[in-house]
Amino acid sequence: NAGVTQTPKFRVLKTGQSMTLLCAQDMNHEYMYWYRQDPGMGLRLIHYSVGEGTTAKGEVPDGYNVSRLKKQNFLLGLESAAPSQTSVYFCASRTKNRGSDYGYTFGSGTRLTVV
Amino acid sequence: AQSVAQPEDQVNVAEGNPLTVKCTYSVSGNPYLFWYVQYPNRGLQFLLKYITGDNLVKGSYGFEAEFNKSQTSFHLKKPSALVSDSALYFCAVRDGGNNRLAFGKGNQVVVIP
Repeated sequence: NAGVTQTPKFRVLKTGQSMTLLCAQDMNHEYMYWYRQDPGMGLRLIHYSVGEGTTAKGEVPDGYNVSRLKKQNFLLGLESAAPSQTSVYFCASRTKNRGSDYGYTFGSGTRLTVV
Repeated sequence: AQSVAQPEDQVNVAEGNPLTVKCTYSVSGNPYLFWYVQYPNRGLQFLLKYITGDNLVKGSYGFEAEFNKSQTSFHLKKPSALVSDSALYFCAVRDGGNNRLAFGKGNQVVVIP
């Protein structure tokens, strides 16, 4: 009963490097989301997906790309990392079944530092 | 657009005293309201929700929240705070027809022994 699993948990990147954050959920949820959390700013939505093969932009999509090739996985990519992308990244998923709507199930986060 | 305001950055309360964390919201349709808690170095955990029905909803760990439509508020309450309640609390809202939650900035709750 893993829920939402994020890998890696920690990462340090140099400016200009690229990386991919992986989110995997085993609850058969249709919707998946990527947020970043910064002090005093709460959670801001980067990208989200309402189903396999579909993605959409959130509040702060610049500098990020996503893919959802399989229903259970949602990947977040940074093509050329910048210090402004230093943050804690959270993945979340949700069922589209309103009768079971408990909001989101969150992963434990990825702490990314760009130097 | 949907949005949430959590007006206080930090709430300090003595152990055993009542705890209140304030939240006001703005949506164009029917609000779906949530409270989450985040402990250090952890993800957010669901506490409670309001979708429809009774304005007073009860959740995990003895927390409850009151939905007030006229004041567009959804304050989180606990009658007697514990030191272990010290954490970051987030209010969130979505329009019933929307797929995305909007989060407030969060309130740091500090329960003093």
